[in-house]
Parts: sequence; structure tokens; C-alpha cells
Amino acid sequence: AQKITQTQPGMFVQEKEAVTLDCTYDTSDPSYGLFWYKQPSSGEMIFLIYQGSYDQQNATEGRYSLNFQKARKSANLVISASQLGDSAMYFCAMRGSGYSSASKIIFGSGTRLSIRP
Amino acid sequence: NAGVTQTPKFQVLKTGQSMTLQCAQDMNHNSMYWYRQDPGMGLRLIYYSASEGTTDKGEVPNGYNVSRLNKREFSLRLESAAPSQTSVYFCASRDRAIYNEQFFGPGTRLTVL
Repeated sequence: AQKITQTQPGMFVQEKEAVTLDCTYDTSDPSYGLFWYKQPSSGEMIFLIYQGSYDQQNATEGRYSLNFQKARKSANLVISASQLGDSAMYFCAMRGSGYSSASKIIFGSGTRLSIRP
Repeated sequence: NAGVTQTPKFQVLKTGQSMTLQCAQDMNHNSMYWYRQDPGMGLRLIYYSASEGTTDKGEVPNGYNVSRLNKREFSLRLESAAPSQTSVYFCASRDRAIYNEQFFGPGTRLTVL
């Protein structure tokens, strides 16, 4: 069975500082993928970044990077130079492998990030 | 392109009433999903459909049924609503490639009294 754990319910960070949001996972699938989404107070879900389990390099997308440590089963999101607009809920999600499991995507409980000016 | 649309946006039910939440996507995606999000919580997968003609249970399927009507539409039915089903319901769709992200609808806020 798949499981995603986000152990930080809330975080406060000073503007312009870097921040790391933790995500650990558990799966028995041989290949899998990890996603991060942002949910502002308006409620929409915004895709940020994706990491495949067999990708050779850690994913990066602008100010977002994914610190993927396969042996430790962790996929932490790093936001560099945080901005006030980064204040939101952040969710880690995972898909499995196989025809049906590759489509099954489960989410963690989220981390509420608040950026202080 | 409208993306993923959901109807209704808001709904209030009494315990025991039934209703169907509608979801449609115009991106020709193969996979579709229903999630619920309780206040301050993450998204929990109710059901998903990997492709037209298939549906699978997610993490919290009890009390719900789904229908993948065609490639575009995926509906969620509550046969006998309970207060524990008060939540925001999100529909999402996704293309087949394994690295592709989900696209989410705006959500339906459901209250069961």
C-alpha cells in the first residue's frame, strides 16, 4: 500500500529565506512518481514539480527544487528566496506503477507555509 | 478550453438525501479522479478512473458510487448523505503519461445537515 507523510502541519519563514518542506513516502511499487502542489487560500490546486523514481537528477522548476533521497524515501520541496505569495498549503502526492496504479495518486496531509515580511 | 468543470459549486443536503456531483473535462484526458478535502486537511482519494470504462476504489470509497459516463465525464453519487460527508469535493483529470500532473476543478462545497 502507498502512504505519504508530511510531518510539518505549519511553518513560518522570513521573506527571502529558503524553506524546506518535508515529505516521506512508502510504497512497494518498483517505480513511482512524486508531485508537489500548492493550494492558496483561494482553494485552487497548482502543480509545482514532479520527480520520477528513476530520474537521474533532482527535479527543478524555477525557485522550486525537489531534494529526492530514494534510500531514505524522502522527497522534500525546497523553495529558494521565499516570497509573500508563497504563503499557502503545500501537498506532496505520489503515484504508483502498473496500468491502474500508475493512475492512482494519493496526497499527504499538507503543510501550511506562512511567509513573514 | 474550460479545463475541468464541476457542478454544483455549493450544495446543502439533509441527512439521508441523495445527490450526484458532476465533473467534465475538455482536455481529452484518460484518467479522472474524485477527492474530498476536509477543513485544514489533505485530499483523500475517493474513486478514480484510469481510463474510460474502468473505475477503482481509492482510500475512502464507502458511501459513494461513481460512473465514468464517457471519456469527458465522471460523476460521484452520494446515495444517502451523512454529516460525515460534509466536505469540499474536487474532481481532477490527467493525461496518460506517468509524469503528467493532474488538473483540478474548482471544487464543490457540500454541507450535510
